Parts: sequence; structure tokens; C-alpha cells
Amino acid sequence: DTAVSQTPKYLVTQMGNDKSIKCEQNLGHDTMYWYKQDSKKFLKIMFSYNNKELIINETVPNRFSPKSPDKAHLNLHINSLELGDSAVYFCASSQGEGGGTAFFGQGTRLTVV
Amino acid sequence: AQSVTQLGSHVSVSEGALVLLRCNYSSSVPPYLFWYVQYPNQGLQLLLKYTSAATLVKGINGFEAEFKKSETSFHLTKPSAHMSDAAEYFCAVRGRDDKIIFGKGTRLHILP
Repeated sequence: DTAVSQTPKYLVTQMGNDKSIKCEQNLGHDTMYWYKQDSKKFLKIMFSYNNKELIINETVPNRFSPKSPDKAHLNLHINSLELGDSAVYFCASSQGEGGGTAFFGQGTRLTVV
Repeated sequence: AQSVTQLGSHVSVSEGALVLLRCNYSSSVPPYLFWYVQYPNQGLQLLLKYTSAATLVKGINGFEAEFKKSETSFHLTKPSAHMSDAAEYFCAVRGRDDKIIFGKGTRLHILP
């Protein structure tokens, strides 16, 4: 069984559209994250949720809205997509305390045309 | 606030030679430190982590890293490089706020 799974793996869409990426973890972790990896491979944290509560919200445009229906799921909805949103988005989960390791999904490659 | 600096965006070593990837961190609290590897078109896989139990940490695939507080470093090494080690390597730090901050990555090239 995949520990952290994201869908879809690839997403090609036009500017101005709204899209969602789903993430699920079956590790029983209480913390989940979204990261954005740009074309230079730089990984930037976007959001972190702990037990369905937003903990970290970096300077991300309001067009990005995370939603956590339960602690095993953290979805990312993006409104009014822009060319600059093209990137690989990674979901991750970890156990919150004690320096828990973050386990990553396989990523969603978003291409905005 | 935590931060991580990886020296060298590209490192090339010959097959069989020593691999050394450098990472320096900044943290106001005792850090948790990680090395991850990313193969092309894949997610990140944990190589090893430091959580204050031992300064020399052994990981998967023959990699190890040594935590040096005096130098604020956590360099990754492997005695003998293999072609399959070619990948992107990321150093990361985690503070008490659960935020995991990554370095900019080092692309490791293995020369035949």
C-alpha cells in the first residue's frame, strides 16, 4: 500500500481554470504538508495541517486553499490558475513531535498553458 | 528561524570515489536534520536523519552523515559512489514548529 498518495500525477490545464489535487496518507500521522517544487528543484513549504487545523501558511496567494476533511487527507484547491503555478506539488505527512520523518507522495506535475 | 545551505548545486564524482555533499544549518533550537534523495520524476525518499541520539548517522544505500554542532554542519558521505547514486539530494531541518525547511538541493553526477 502506498503510504502517501496524490492524485492526479499529471495535470495540464488552461490559465484561469480551477483545479484540485488530492492527498491521502495511511500512516496514521497527525501532520500533513503541501510543498511546491519549481523548475530549479527548489522545495518550498506552502501549508501544514496538524489534526485538521492549519498550522503553517507561508506567503501563498489566496488562490491556493488547502482543505483537510480529516487528518488522513489534505487536498489543495487552486483557483484562477496562472502560468507561474506550473510546478510539481508534493504532499507529505509526518508524526508531529520528536522530529518525525516526513514521508512524501510521488508528486503532481501541474502544467498551466 | 531555521535555514539550510547546501554548498554546490552540482557535484561530480567518479564511480568508486568518495561522495561528499555539504550541508550547513541554522537553527535557534536543537535541530532535527534530514537528508533526502530524489530520483528523476519521483518523490523524496529519506536517506537518514539526525535526532540527537548519535552524531554519526548511518542511512540507506551506504550513506552516512555526521552532525557537528561546532560547525553547524551535517555533511553527507558515501565511501564509494555507484552509478545508481546519481540523483538530487536535499538536506532539511525541522524545528519545534514542525516546519521542515529544505536546502536548494545538490545534483550528484557519477562519472564512469
